[in-house]
Amino acid sequence: GAVVSQHPSWVICKSGTSVKIECRSLDFQATTMFWYRQFPKQSLMLMATSNEGSKATYEQGVEKDKFLINHASLTLSTLTVTSAHPEDSSFYICSARDQLSYNEQFFGPGTRLTVL
Amino acid sequence: QQQVKQSPQSLIVQKGGISIINCAYENTAFDYFPWYQQFPGKGPALLIAIRPDVSEKKEGRFTISFNKSAKQFSLHIMDSQPGDSATYFCAASTSSGTYKYIFGTGTRLKVLA
Repeated sequence: GAVVSQHPSWVICKSGTSVKIECRSLDFQATTMFWYRQFPKQSLMLMATSNEGSKATYEQGVEKDKFLINHASLTLSTLTVTSAHPEDSSFYICSARDQLSYNEQFFGPGTRLTVL
Repeated sequence: QQQVKQSPQSLIVQKGGISIINCAYENTAFDYFPWYQQFPGKGPALLIAIRPDVSEKKEGRFTISFNKSAKQFSLHIMDSQPGDSATYFCAASTSSGTYKYIFGTGTRLKVLA
Protein backbone atom coordinates (compact mmCIF):
# COMPACT_ATOMS: atom_id res chain seq x y z
CA GLY A 1 0.00 0.00 0.00
CA ALA A 2 0.91 3.64 -0.35
CA VAL A 3 3.11 4.89 2.47
CA VAL A 4 3.53 8.42 3.71
CA SER A 5 6.20 9.31 6.25
CA GLN A 6 6.68 12.38 8.39
CA HIS A 7 9.77 13.70 10.08
CA PRO A 8 10.23 14.41 12.87
CA SER A 9 7.62 12.41 14.77
CA TRP A 10 7.84 14.86 17.63
CA VAL A 11 9.60 18.15 18.27
CA ILE A 12 9.95 20.51 21.20
CA CYS A 13 11.07 24.05 20.55
CA LYS A 14 11.31 27.39 22.28
CA SER A 15 8.88 30.18 21.59
CA GLY A 16 9.98 32.36 18.69
CA THR A 17 11.86 29.67 16.78
CA SER A 18 10.87 28.11 13.47
CA VAL A 19 10.20 24.43 12.97
CA LYS A 20 10.17 22.47 9.70
CA ILE A 21 8.15 19.28 9.26
CA GLU A 22 8.73 17.01 6.28
CA CYS A 23 6.15 14.84 4.58
CA ARG A 24 7.26 12.21 2.07
CA SER A 25 5.39 9.81 -0.16
CA LEU A 26 7.63 6.73 -0.17
CA ASP A 27 6.25 4.60 -2.99
CA PHE A 28 4.14 6.86 -5.14
CA GLN A 29 4.16 10.29 -6.70
CA ALA A 30 1.99 12.68 -4.74
CA THR A 31 0.35 15.14 -7.08
CA THR A 32 -1.48 16.70 -4.15
CA MET A 33 -0.51 16.93 -0.51
CA PHE A 34 -2.62 18.15 2.38
CA TRP A 35 -1.65 19.49 5.78
CA TYR A 36 -3.92 19.07 8.77
CA ARG A 37 -3.82 20.23 12.34
CA GLN A 38 -5.45 18.29 15.15
CA PHE A 39 -5.98 19.44 18.72
CA PRO A 40 -6.55 16.86 21.50
CA LYS A 41 -9.88 15.06 21.20
CA GLN A 42 -10.82 17.07 18.13
CA SER A 43 -11.18 16.37 14.45
CA LEU A 44 -8.63 17.03 11.74
CA MET A 45 -8.67 20.59 10.49
CA LEU A 46 -7.41 21.12 6.96
CA MET A 47 -4.81 23.88 6.87
CA ALA A 48 -3.77 23.88 3.23
CA THR A 49 -3.63 21.96 -0.01
CA SER A 50 -0.52 21.93 -2.17
CA ASN A 51 0.17 20.72 -5.66
CA GLU A 52 3.68 19.98 -6.82
CA GLY A 53 5.35 23.08 -8.17
CA SER A 54 2.48 25.38 -7.26
CA LYS A 55 1.74 27.68 -4.38
CA ALA A 56 -0.29 26.15 -1.58
CA THR A 57 -3.96 26.99 -1.18
CA TYR A 58 -4.70 27.87 2.43
CA GLU A 59 -8.00 27.39 4.20
CA GLN A 60 -9.78 30.39 5.58
CA GLY A 61 -8.28 31.56 8.84
CA VAL A 62 -4.89 29.91 8.34
CA GLU A 63 -2.01 32.40 8.31
CA LYS A 64 0.05 31.93 5.16
CA ASP A 65 3.08 33.73 6.56
CA LYS A 66 3.08 31.66 9.70
CA PHE A 67 2.61 28.25 8.13
CA LEU A 68 4.86 28.09 5.09
CA ILE A 69 4.22 25.16 2.80
CA ASN A 70 6.54 24.02 0.05
CA HIS A 71 5.78 21.17 -2.36
CA ALA A 72 8.95 21.20 -4.41
CA SER A 73 8.83 17.62 -5.69
CA LEU A 74 6.31 14.86 -6.27
CA THR A 75 7.47 13.06 -3.14
CA LEU A 76 8.17 15.83 -0.64
CA SER A 77 6.23 18.61 1.00
CA THR A 78 7.36 20.67 3.95
CA LEU A 79 5.48 22.70 6.53
CA THR A 80 7.43 25.38 8.36
CA VAL A 81 5.91 26.91 11.45
CA THR A 82 7.56 30.31 11.71
CA SER A 83 8.06 32.14 14.99
CA ALA A 84 6.25 29.40 16.86
CA HIS A 85 4.29 30.20 20.00
CA PRO A 86 2.72 27.92 22.62
CA GLU A 87 -0.67 28.16 20.90
CA ASP A 88 0.89 26.51 17.83
CA SER A 89 1.44 23.35 19.86
CA SER A 90 -0.57 20.67 18.15
CA PHE A 91 -0.50 17.42 16.19
CA TYR A 92 0.30 18.10 12.53
CA ILE A 93 -0.63 15.46 9.99
CA CYS A 94 0.03 15.38 6.27
CA SER A 95 -1.67 13.30 3.62
CA ALA A 96 -1.07 12.71 -0.05
CA ARG A 97 -2.90 11.50 -3.10
CA ASP A 98 -1.85 10.62 -6.61
CA GLN A 99 -3.73 10.70 -9.86
CA LEU A 100 -4.46 6.97 -9.72
CA SER A 101 -5.98 7.03 -6.24
CA TYR A 102 -8.63 9.60 -7.20
CA ASN A 103 -10.15 10.73 -3.91
CA GLU A 104 -8.23 8.53 -1.51
CA GLN A 105 -5.72 10.26 0.73
CA PHE A 106 -2.88 8.38 2.40
CA PHE A 107 -2.01 9.81 5.79
CA GLY A 108 1.32 10.18 7.51
CA PRO A 109 1.87 9.20 11.16
CA GLY A 110 1.77 12.80 12.36
CA THR A 111 4.19 15.16 14.10
CA ARG A 112 3.66 16.31 17.67
CA LEU A 113 4.84 19.92 18.08
CA THR A 114 5.28 21.35 21.55
CA VAL A 115 6.29 25.00 21.85
CA LEU A 116 7.62 26.03 25.25
CA GLN B 1 -23.28 23.18 3.42
CA GLN B 2 -19.74 21.93 3.67
CA GLN B 3 -20.25 20.31 7.06
CA VAL B 4 -20.38 16.62 7.82
CA LYS B 5 -22.24 15.89 11.04
CA GLN B 6 -21.17 12.80 12.96
CA SER B 7 -22.80 11.05 15.89
CA PRO B 8 -22.49 9.85 18.55
CA GLN B 9 -19.54 11.69 20.03
CA SER B 10 -18.64 8.66 22.09
CA LEU B 11 -19.76 5.05 22.18
CA ILE B 12 -19.27 2.16 24.57
CA VAL B 13 -19.94 -1.34 23.30
CA GLN B 14 -19.53 -4.77 24.80
CA LYS B 15 -17.13 -7.19 23.17
CA GLY B 16 -18.90 -9.03 20.37
CA GLY B 17 -21.51 -6.31 19.95
CA ILE B 18 -22.25 -4.08 16.98
CA SER B 19 -20.89 -0.52 16.89
CA ILE B 20 -22.82 1.94 14.76
CA ILE B 21 -21.64 5.44 13.88
CA ASN B 22 -23.65 7.82 11.75
CA CYS B 23 -22.80 10.73 9.49
CA ALA B 24 -24.93 13.21 7.55
CA TYR B 25 -24.02 15.72 4.88
CA GLU B 26 -25.68 18.51 2.93
CA ASN B 27 -23.56 19.02 -0.18
CA THR B 28 -24.95 16.79 -2.93
CA ALA B 29 -21.74 17.22 -4.88
CA PHE B 30 -19.95 14.90 -2.44
CA ASP B 31 -19.34 11.58 -4.14
CA TYR B 32 -16.74 9.82 -2.00
CA PHE B 33 -17.28 8.86 1.62
CA PRO B 34 -14.40 7.24 3.53
CA TRP B 35 -14.17 6.13 7.13
CA TYR B 36 -10.90 6.45 9.01
CA GLN B 37 -9.69 4.87 12.24
CA GLN B 38 -7.24 6.74 14.44
CA PHE B 39 -5.38 5.51 17.50
CA PRO B 40 -3.92 8.01 19.99
CA GLY B 41 -0.78 9.67 18.68
CA LYS B 42 -1.10 8.10 15.24
CA GLY B 43 -2.26 9.26 11.85
CA PRO B 44 -5.68 8.18 10.53
CA ALA B 45 -5.89 4.92 8.59
CA LEU B 46 -8.50 4.20 5.92
CA LEU B 47 -10.99 1.54 6.95
CA ILE B 48 -13.48 1.49 4.13
CA ALA B 49 -14.95 3.92 1.61
CA ILE B 50 -18.05 4.11 -0.54
CA ARG B 51 -19.38 6.00 -3.54
CA PRO B 52 -23.06 6.94 -4.03
CA ASP B 53 -23.68 4.36 -6.74
CA VAL B 54 -23.97 1.58 -4.13
CA SER B 55 -26.04 1.42 -0.96
CA GLU B 56 -23.78 -0.86 1.02
CA LYS B 57 -20.18 -2.00 1.07
CA LYS B 58 -18.68 -4.64 3.32
CA GLU B 59 -15.08 -5.40 4.11
CA GLY B 60 -14.56 -7.99 6.80
CA ARG B 61 -16.27 -6.83 9.99
CA PHE B 62 -16.77 -3.29 8.64
CA THR B 63 -19.83 -2.25 6.63
CA ILE B 64 -20.83 1.12 5.24
CA SER B 65 -24.52 1.74 4.65
CA PHE B 66 -25.31 4.65 2.37
CA ASN B 67 -28.66 6.43 1.95
CA LYS B 68 -28.37 8.89 -0.90
CA SER B 69 -31.86 10.35 -0.58
CA ALA B 70 -31.39 11.03 3.13
CA LYS B 71 -27.80 12.17 2.62
CA GLN B 72 -26.63 9.89 5.37
CA PHE B 73 -24.11 7.12 5.72
CA SER B 74 -23.08 4.93 8.60
CA LEU B 75 -20.32 2.60 9.71
CA HIS B 76 -21.20 -0.72 11.30
CA ILE B 77 -18.52 -2.68 13.13
CA MET B 78 -19.67 -6.24 13.66
CA ASP B 79 -18.32 -8.45 16.46
CA SER B 80 -16.59 -5.44 18.02
CA GLN B 81 -13.29 -6.21 19.74
CA PRO B 82 -11.27 -4.33 22.39
CA GLY B 83 -8.67 -3.69 19.68
CA ASP B 84 -11.29 -1.66 17.81
CA SER B 85 -11.20 0.92 20.59
CA ALA B 86 -10.16 4.07 18.75
CA THR B 87 -11.55 7.28 17.30
CA TYR B 88 -13.45 6.98 14.05
CA PHE B 89 -13.89 9.78 11.54
CA CYS B 90 -16.18 9.93 8.56
CA ALA B 91 -15.32 12.23 5.69
CA ALA B 92 -16.70 13.39 2.38
CA SER B 93 -15.14 14.78 -0.76
CA THR B 94 -15.88 15.58 -4.36
CA SER B 95 -14.16 14.06 -7.39
CA SER B 96 -13.09 17.40 -8.74
CA GLY B 97 -10.98 20.35 -7.80
CA THR B 98 -8.66 19.64 -4.90
CA TYR B 99 -10.37 16.41 -3.75
CA LYS B 100 -10.10 17.76 -0.22
CA TYR B 101 -11.85 15.98 2.64
CA ILE B 102 -14.46 17.43 4.93
CA PHE B 103 -14.15 15.45 8.16
CA GLY B 104 -16.82 14.69 10.71
CA THR B 105 -16.20 15.53 14.35
CA GLY B 106 -15.18 12.01 15.32
CA THR B 107 -16.54 9.22 17.52
CA ARG B 108 -14.54 7.76 20.37
CA LEU B 109 -15.33 4.06 20.55
CA LYS B 110 -14.55 1.94 23.55
CA VAL B 111 -15.12 -1.80 23.39
CA LEU B 112 -15.30 -3.45 26.78
CA ALA B 113 -13.66 -6.82 27.20
